[in-house]
Amino acid sequence: KQEVTQIPAALSVPEGENLVLNCSFTDSAIYNLQWFRQDPGKGLTSLLLIQSSQREQTSGRLNASLDKSSGRSTLYIAASQPGDSATYLCAVNYGQNFVFGPGTRLSVLP
Amino acid sequence: DVKVTQSSRYLVKRTGEKVFLECVQDMDHENMFWYRQDPGLGLRLIYFSYDVKMKEKGDIPEGYSVSREKKERFSLILESASTNQTSMYLCASSFSNPYNEQFFGPGTRLTVL
Repeated sequence: KQEVTQIPAALSVPEGENLVLNCSFTDSAIYNLQWFRQDPGKGLTSLLLIQSSQREQTSGRLNASLDKSSGRSTLYIAASQPGDSATYLCAVNYGQNFVFGPGTRLSVLP
Repeated sequence: DVKVTQSSRYLVKRTGEKVFLECVQDMDHENMFWYRQDPGLGLRLIYFSYDVKMKEKGDIPEGYSVSREKKERFSLILESASTNQTSMYLCASSFSNPYNEQFFGPGTRLTVL
C-alpha cells in the first residue's frame, strides 16, 4: 500500500531559526513530489515540485530535496518568519494517483 | 497564474438535501479532482476526472457523484446530505502529463445539520 508519513506532526520554533520538515513514502515508483502550504480554513498552495529525476528544488528561502531510493524528501526553511506559520503537506504523485501526507503544523514564534 | 475557483467558501445544509459543489479551472487542465479533508484523516480522494464526461472513483466515493460536462467545470453532488459529510471539500486540477503539478481551489467548508 502506498503510504506517506510526515515527521514531526507539529513544530514550534522561534523566529529566525532554520528548520527541516520530513516526508517519507513507502513506494519509490514516483513521478514527482509536491510540497504544499495550507493556512487554517484555506486551500493548498503549491510551494515546490520536485521531479523523480531531481535531487533538489529551491524557491526563495525554501529548499526541497528528494532521495527516491530511500523514500524520503525534506523541506528546508531558512530564517523562519511568523508568516511561515501554517501546515505543510507533501504529496507523492504516482501517475493519476496522488497520496498526501498528514502534514506538519508549524508555528514560528515572534 | 492558474486559477481554480470553488462556488462557495462556506455552505450550511440540512440532512437529506441535495448539495452541489462546483469547481472551475481556467488553465485547460485535463484532470480534475475532488478531495475531502478531515482532522486526523488528511486528504482523501473522492472522485477524479481525466476528460470531459469521464470519471473515476477515488478512495471514498460512497454517498457522492460527480459531473463533468465541460472541460473547465467539475461538480461534486451529494444526493442526500448526511451529517457525516460535514467536511472541508477541496477541488484540484492538473494537466494529464503526470510530471505536472496539482493546483488547488480555496476549499468549501460544508456543514450538514
